[in-house]
Amino acid sequence: GAVVSQHPSRVICKSGTSVKIECRSLDFQATTMFWYRQFPKQSLMLMATSNEGSKATYEQGVEKDKFLINHASLTLSTLTVTSAHPEDSSFYICSAISGDRGTGNTIYFGEGSWLTVV
Amino acid sequence: DAKTTQPNSMESNEEEPVHLPCNHSTISGTDYIHWYRQLPSQGPEYVIHGLTSNVNNRMASLAIAEDRKSSTLILHRATLRDAAVYYCILKRETSGSRLTFGEGTQLTVNP
Repeated sequence: GAVVSQHPSRVICKSGTSVKIECRSLDFQATTMFWYRQFPKQSLMLMATSNEGSKATYEQGVEKDKFLINHASLTLSTLTVTSAHPEDSSFYICSAISGDRGTGNTIYFGEGSWLTVV
Repeated sequence: DAKTTQPNSMESNEEEPVHLPCNHSTISGTDYIHWYRQLPSQGPEYVIHGLTSNVNNRMASLAIAEDRKSSTLILHRATLRDAAVYYCILKRETSGSRLTFGEGTQLTVNP
C-alpha cells in the first residue's frame, strides 16, 4: 500500500541552528502534503499545507519564516525549522493524499520526526 | 471544519469487542467520516472511512447513524496492539482535504 516516509526519525540540534525534515511519498505522487506538530499528550496541530510547485499555505499563528516548507517534487516535501529554540522541540508529522482528488481518498501519515532542541 | 466529539478515554478487555463513539452533529452532506489511530511515538494510521453506509474492513467496522450525526468504530476483538488514541475526523473537499484532529479517545486494552 501507499507509504509515506519521514527522515530523520529523531534529531537533536543546538539552539539557534536549523534542521531539515524530509517527507517522501514512496509509491505514489502527492501534489499536496501536510505538516503537523504534536506536543506530548496533545493532539496533532496542522501547521501548513505544502503544494507542489507553489508556496505553502500556513495555518494561523504559524510563522512561515521560521518553518520553511519546500515541495520541489511530487514525492518530496521538506520542513526546515530555522533558528530552532527549545520550545520548538516537538513531534513533527507529515501526511500525503494517495490517488485522485476526492473526499473519500485516504490520507497516509509518515512515521513522525522527533525534534529536540538543546 | 465540522467538529467531532469523542470520549477522552475508554477501557476494554482483550478479546472483547470495543465500540468507540463519535458525535458530529454539524456534519454536512459532503463530509466523509474518517477514523485514524495513533500509537505512541508514531504517525496516525488509517483505520476506516465512510459516507453514509456502514463499512467493514480487516481492521474494523464503521457504523454510521441514519442521520449521520454520529458514528461508531467497532473493533470486533480487541488486542493489546489496539491500545492507541483513536481519532474521528470529518473530511471535507472544500477544505482541501486537510484534516483537523480533535482530542481523540485513548483506548486502554486490559489483558
